Amino acid sequence: EPEVTQTPSHQVTQMGQEVILRCVPISNHLYFYWYRQILGQKVEFLVSFYNNEISEKSEIFDDQFSVERPDGSNFTLKIRSTKLEDSAMYFCASSWDAGYSPLHFGNGTRLTVT
Amino acid sequence: KNEVEQSPQNLTAQEGEFITINCSYSVGISALHWLQQHPGGGIVSLFMLSSGKKKHGRLIATINIQEKHSSLHITASHPRDSAVYICAVRWDRETSGSRLTFGEGTQLTVNP
Repeated sequence: EPEVTQTPSHQVTQMGQEVILRCVPISNHLYFYWYRQILGQKVEFLVSFYNNEISEKSEIFDDQFSVERPDGSNFTLKIRSTKLEDSAMYFCASSWDAGYSPLHFGNGTRLTVT
Repeated sequence: KNEVEQSPQNLTAQEGEFITINCSYSVGISALHWLQQHPGGGIVSLFMLSSGKKKHGRLIATINIQEKHSSLHITASHPRDSAVYICAVRWDRETSGSRLTFGEGTQLTVNP
Protein backbone atom coordinates (compact mmCIF):
# COMPACT_ATOMS: atom_id res chain seq x y z
CA GLU A 1 0.00 0.00 0.00
CA PRO A 2 1.37 3.48 -0.84
CA GLU A 3 2.78 5.42 2.08
CA VAL A 4 3.61 8.97 3.05
CA THR A 5 7.34 9.13 3.75
CA GLN A 6 8.97 11.68 6.05
CA THR A 7 12.65 12.42 6.55
CA PRO A 8 14.49 12.70 8.80
CA SER A 9 12.81 10.74 11.56
CA HIS A 10 14.61 12.82 14.18
CA GLN A 11 16.26 16.22 13.84
CA VAL A 12 18.17 18.05 16.53
CA THR A 13 18.98 21.70 15.93
CA GLN A 14 20.12 24.74 17.85
CA MET A 15 17.83 27.65 18.55
CA GLY A 16 17.93 30.17 15.72
CA GLN A 17 18.89 27.66 13.07
CA GLU A 18 16.82 26.91 9.99
CA VAL A 19 15.38 23.44 9.50
CA ILE A 20 13.68 21.80 6.57
CA LEU A 21 11.42 18.83 7.14
CA ARG A 22 10.75 16.70 4.10
CA CYS A 23 7.79 14.65 3.00
CA VAL A 24 6.92 12.55 0.00
CA PRO A 25 3.11 12.31 -0.18
CA ILE A 26 1.23 9.54 -1.92
CA SER A 27 1.72 10.10 -5.62
CA ASN A 28 -1.85 10.64 -6.83
CA HIS A 29 -2.95 12.74 -3.85
CA LEU A 30 -3.77 16.38 -4.39
CA TYR A 31 -4.03 17.84 -0.86
CA PHE A 32 -1.10 18.07 1.51
CA TYR A 33 -0.93 18.99 5.16
CA TRP A 34 1.43 19.61 8.02
CA TYR A 35 0.37 18.97 11.59
CA ARG A 36 2.40 19.07 14.77
CA GLN A 37 2.19 17.49 18.19
CA ILE A 38 4.02 18.97 21.14
CA LEU A 39 4.94 16.25 23.64
CA GLY A 40 1.96 15.35 25.78
CA GLN A 41 -0.45 17.55 23.83
CA LYS A 42 -2.94 16.98 21.06
CA VAL A 43 -2.20 17.14 17.37
CA GLU A 44 -2.58 20.64 15.89
CA PHE A 45 -3.14 21.78 12.33
CA LEU A 46 -0.45 23.95 10.76
CA VAL A 47 -1.17 24.32 7.06
CA SER A 48 -2.88 22.80 4.05
CA PHE A 49 -1.60 23.02 0.48
CA TYR A 50 -3.37 22.49 -2.81
CA ASN A 51 -2.59 23.38 -6.40
CA ASN A 52 0.83 24.74 -5.45
CA GLU A 53 -0.41 27.20 -2.91
CA ILE A 54 -1.45 27.39 0.72
CA SER A 55 -5.19 26.82 1.01
CA GLU A 56 -5.45 27.31 4.75
CA LYS A 57 -3.13 27.98 7.68
CA SER A 58 -3.51 28.17 11.42
CA GLU A 59 -2.45 30.94 13.78
CA ILE A 60 0.61 28.83 14.64
CA PHE A 61 1.85 29.07 11.05
CA ASP A 62 3.47 32.49 11.27
CA ASP A 63 6.16 34.12 9.12
CA GLN A 64 8.79 31.75 10.50
CA PHE A 65 7.14 28.86 8.68
CA SER A 66 6.91 28.19 4.97
CA VAL A 67 5.94 25.27 2.78
CA GLU A 68 6.98 24.34 -0.69
CA ARG A 69 6.41 21.64 -3.27
CA PRO A 70 9.63 22.08 -5.20
CA ASP A 71 9.02 19.21 -7.63
CA GLY A 72 6.30 16.68 -8.38
CA SER A 73 6.98 14.54 -5.36
CA ASN A 74 8.42 16.41 -2.36
CA PHE A 75 6.55 18.61 0.08
CA THR A 76 8.66 20.53 2.58
CA LEU A 77 8.13 22.51 5.77
CA LYS A 78 10.78 25.12 6.57
CA ILE A 79 11.20 26.79 9.92
CA ARG A 80 13.42 29.83 9.40
CA SER A 81 14.73 30.52 12.89
CA THR A 82 13.80 27.78 15.32
CA LYS A 83 12.69 28.44 18.87
CA LEU A 84 12.64 26.10 21.84
CA GLU A 85 8.85 25.94 21.59
CA ASP A 86 9.09 24.54 18.05
CA SER A 87 10.21 21.24 19.56
CA ALA A 88 7.50 18.78 18.56
CA MET A 89 6.63 15.86 16.33
CA TYR A 90 5.75 17.14 12.87
CA PHE A 91 3.43 15.05 10.74
CA CYS A 92 2.93 15.32 7.02
CA ALA A 93 -0.36 14.03 5.61
CA SER A 94 -1.96 13.77 2.21
CA SER A 95 -5.39 13.02 0.81
CA TRP A 96 -7.12 12.65 -2.50
CA ASP A 97 -9.59 15.45 -1.80
CA ALA A 98 -10.28 18.24 0.68
CA GLY A 99 -11.65 16.28 3.62
CA TYR A 100 -13.97 13.69 2.10
CA SER A 101 -11.39 10.93 1.81
CA PRO A 102 -9.13 9.44 4.49
CA LEU A 103 -5.95 11.22 5.47
CA HIS A 104 -2.70 9.30 5.15
CA PHE A 105 -0.05 10.30 7.65
CA GLY A 106 3.69 9.90 7.60
CA ASN A 107 5.51 8.53 10.63
CA GLY A 108 6.54 12.00 11.70
CA THR A 109 9.76 13.92 12.26
CA ARG A 110 10.69 14.54 15.86
CA LEU A 111 12.25 18.01 16.02
CA THR A 112 14.29 18.88 19.09
CA VAL A 113 15.46 22.47 19.44
CA THR A 114 18.21 23.00 22.02
CA LYS B 1 -14.63 27.75 20.21
CA ASN B 2 -15.20 24.45 18.36
CA GLU B 3 -14.15 21.55 20.57
CA VAL B 4 -13.65 17.80 20.35
CA GLU B 5 -13.85 15.85 23.59
CA GLN B 6 -12.92 12.24 24.13
CA SER B 7 -13.61 9.89 26.99
CA PRO B 8 -12.14 8.19 28.79
CA GLN B 9 -8.63 9.69 28.77
CA ASN B 10 -7.14 6.38 29.88
CA LEU B 11 -8.55 2.89 29.62
CA THR B 12 -7.10 -0.38 30.87
CA ALA B 13 -8.71 -3.64 29.81
CA GLN B 14 -8.07 -7.35 30.00
CA GLU B 15 -7.49 -9.26 26.80
CA GLY B 16 -10.79 -10.28 25.25
CA GLU B 17 -12.84 -7.43 26.68
CA PHE B 18 -15.16 -5.26 24.58
CA ILE B 19 -13.93 -1.68 24.52
CA THR B 20 -15.74 1.57 23.80
CA ILE B 21 -14.14 4.97 23.30
CA ASN B 22 -16.35 8.02 22.96
CA CYS B 23 -16.03 11.30 21.08
CA SER B 24 -18.29 14.36 21.31
CA TYR B 25 -18.04 17.54 19.32
CA SER B 26 -19.58 20.95 19.67
CA VAL B 27 -20.97 21.98 16.27
CA GLY B 28 -21.80 20.49 12.87
CA ILE B 29 -19.19 18.45 11.06
CA SER B 30 -18.71 17.17 7.55
CA ALA B 31 -16.54 14.19 8.56
CA LEU B 32 -15.14 12.46 11.63
CA HIS B 33 -11.93 10.46 11.67
CA TRP B 34 -10.77 7.79 14.09
CA LEU B 35 -6.99 7.45 14.19
CA GLN B 36 -4.56 5.20 16.01
CA GLN B 37 -1.23 6.51 17.30
CA HIS B 38 1.43 3.94 18.07
CA PRO B 39 3.98 4.28 20.90
CA GLY B 40 6.60 5.37 18.37
CA GLY B 41 4.36 8.27 17.37
CA GLY B 42 3.13 7.21 13.93
CA ILE B 43 -0.54 7.88 13.12
CA VAL B 44 -2.73 5.46 11.19
CA SER B 45 -6.19 6.29 9.88
CA LEU B 46 -8.77 3.75 11.03
CA PHE B 47 -12.09 5.18 9.84
CA MET B 48 -13.61 8.22 8.26
CA LEU B 49 -17.36 8.66 8.86
CA SER B 50 -19.99 11.17 7.96
CA SER B 51 -22.98 9.02 8.99
CA GLY B 52 -23.97 5.57 10.21
CA LYS B 53 -21.54 2.83 11.01
CA LYS B 54 -18.38 1.28 9.63
CA LYS B 55 -16.67 -2.00 10.48
CA HIS B 56 -13.18 -3.25 9.80
CA GLY B 57 -12.16 -6.50 11.40
CA ARG B 58 -12.63 -6.17 15.17
CA LEU B 59 -13.12 -2.41 14.98
CA ILE B 60 -16.50 -0.72 14.66
CA ALA B 61 -17.12 3.02 14.43
CA THR B 62 -20.51 4.66 14.77
CA ILE B 63 -21.67 8.23 14.55
CA ASN B 64 -24.87 10.00 15.59
CA ILE B 65 -24.99 13.31 13.78
CA GLN B 66 -28.00 14.65 15.72
CA GLU B 67 -26.34 13.98 19.08
CA LYS B 68 -22.88 15.07 17.84
CA HIS B 69 -21.33 11.88 19.15
CA SER B 70 -19.23 9.03 17.83
CA SER B 71 -17.99 5.80 19.35
CA LEU B 72 -15.15 3.46 18.50
CA HIS B 73 -15.62 -0.13 19.61
CA ILE B 74 -13.02 -2.87 19.74
CA THR B 75 -14.31 -6.42 20.08
CA ALA B 76 -12.18 -9.21 21.56
CA SER B 77 -9.41 -6.78 22.52
CA HIS B 78 -5.79 -7.90 22.30
CA PRO B 79 -2.56 -6.49 23.76
CA ARG B 80 -1.51 -5.37 20.27
CA ASP B 81 -4.51 -2.98 20.33
CA SER B 82 -2.67 -0.96 22.99
CA ALA B 83 -2.22 2.52 21.53
CA VAL B 84 -3.65 6.03 21.67
CA TYR B 85 -6.96 6.36 19.81
CA ILE B 86 -7.74 9.81 18.52
CA CYS B 87 -10.94 11.36 17.22
CA ALA B 88 -10.58 14.22 14.75
CA VAL B 89 -13.27 16.21 12.97
CA ARG B 90 -13.63 18.36 9.93
CA TRP B 91 -16.07 21.13 10.74
CA ASP B 92 -18.72 22.07 8.22
CA ARG B 93 -17.12 23.61 5.15
CA GLU B 94 -18.39 27.13 5.78
CA THR B 95 -16.51 27.49 9.04
CA SER B 96 -13.13 25.87 8.73
CA GLY B 97 -11.98 24.65 5.32
CA SER B 98 -10.12 21.38 5.18
CA ARG B 99 -8.33 21.30 8.51
CA LEU B 100 -8.95 18.61 11.13
CA THR B 101 -9.43 19.43 14.80
CA PHE B 102 -8.14 16.68 17.06
CA GLY B 103 -9.28 15.38 20.42
CA GLU B 104 -6.84 14.72 23.24
CA GLY B 105 -6.78 10.99 22.56
CA THR B 106 -7.57 7.93 24.66
CA GLN B 107 -4.65 5.84 25.91
CA LEU B 108 -5.74 2.20 25.71
CA THR B 109 -3.77 -0.53 27.45
CA VAL B 110 -4.84 -4.12 26.99
CA ASN B 111 -3.27 -6.56 29.43
CA PRO B 112 -2.78 -10.25 28.60
